[in-house]
Amino acid sequence: GNSVTQMEGPVTLSEEAFLTINCTYTATGYPSLFWYVQYPGEGLQLLLKATKADDKGSNKGFEATYRKETTSFHLEKGSVQVSDSAVYFCALSSGFQKLVFGTGTRLLVSP
Amino acid sequence: EADIYQTPRYLVIGTGKKITLECSQTMGHDKMYWYQQDPGMELHLIHYSYGVNSTEKGDLSSESTVSRIRTEHFPLTLESARPSHTSQYLCASSDGTAHATNEKLFFGSGTQLSVL
Repeated sequence: GNSVTQMEGPVTLSEEAFLTINCTYTATGYPSLFWYVQYPGEGLQLLLKATKADDKGSNKGFEATYRKETTSFHLEKGSVQVSDSAVYFCALSSGFQKLVFGTGTRLLVSP
Repeated sequence: EADIYQTPRYLVIGTGKKITLECSQTMGHDKMYWYQQDPGMELHLIHYSYGVNSTEKGDLSSESTVSRIRTEHFPLTLESARPSHTSQYLCASSDGTAHATNEKLFFGSGTQLSVL
C-alpha cells in the first residue's frame, strides 16, 4: 500500500539556518505529493504540492522537488524564521486512494 | 483562508458522557473527513464522507459515529466518552472528485477533547 516516511523530529535550528526535512514515499501508480504545515493551536494548511515527476512545489520560501528516481520529496528552505516553527507533514495521494500522511516533523526555530 | 469551522475548540468532560463535535464548511465541498491526532502528532483517518448520506469508516477503528445529512455539516458523536478518547480531533473538507489524485484538503482548527 501507499506510505510516507518522514524524518523524526524535533528539528531544532537557529534563525536564518538552512532547513531540510526528508520525506520518502512508497506508492502504486503516479502519486501527487504534498507538504502540509500545522502551526501551534491550528489545523493543517497546504504548504505546497507537486503532481508529477521533476515538478518543484514552492511557497513562502519553501521548496520541494518530486524525485521519482529516489521516491523522495524533501522540504527545504534557505533561511528559516522563528515564525516557521510548526509541525510539517508530508503526504501523498495516488489513484483512488485517500490522502496518506507521514507522522509529522516538528520544527523549532530559535532567535 | 479556509471556511471550515469546528466547535468547541476545547472540551473537558467526565467519563460516560455523550458528546458531539461539530464541523461545518461553507465551501460547498462534497468530501469531508475526521482525523484523530495523537500526542505524537500522527494523523489517523477515522471517518470520511463523499457527500450527503455517505459515511465510511477510516483507517483507524473508532467508537465514534458520524452523520452527513447536509453538505455543509459533518458532526462526530461519542455515545459514551472514555479517557482513551482524549485526543485532538481535526475535521477537513475537499472539493476533489472521488478519484482526484491532487485534491487539496482544508482543515478546521481542531477540537481538543479531554475525558476525565
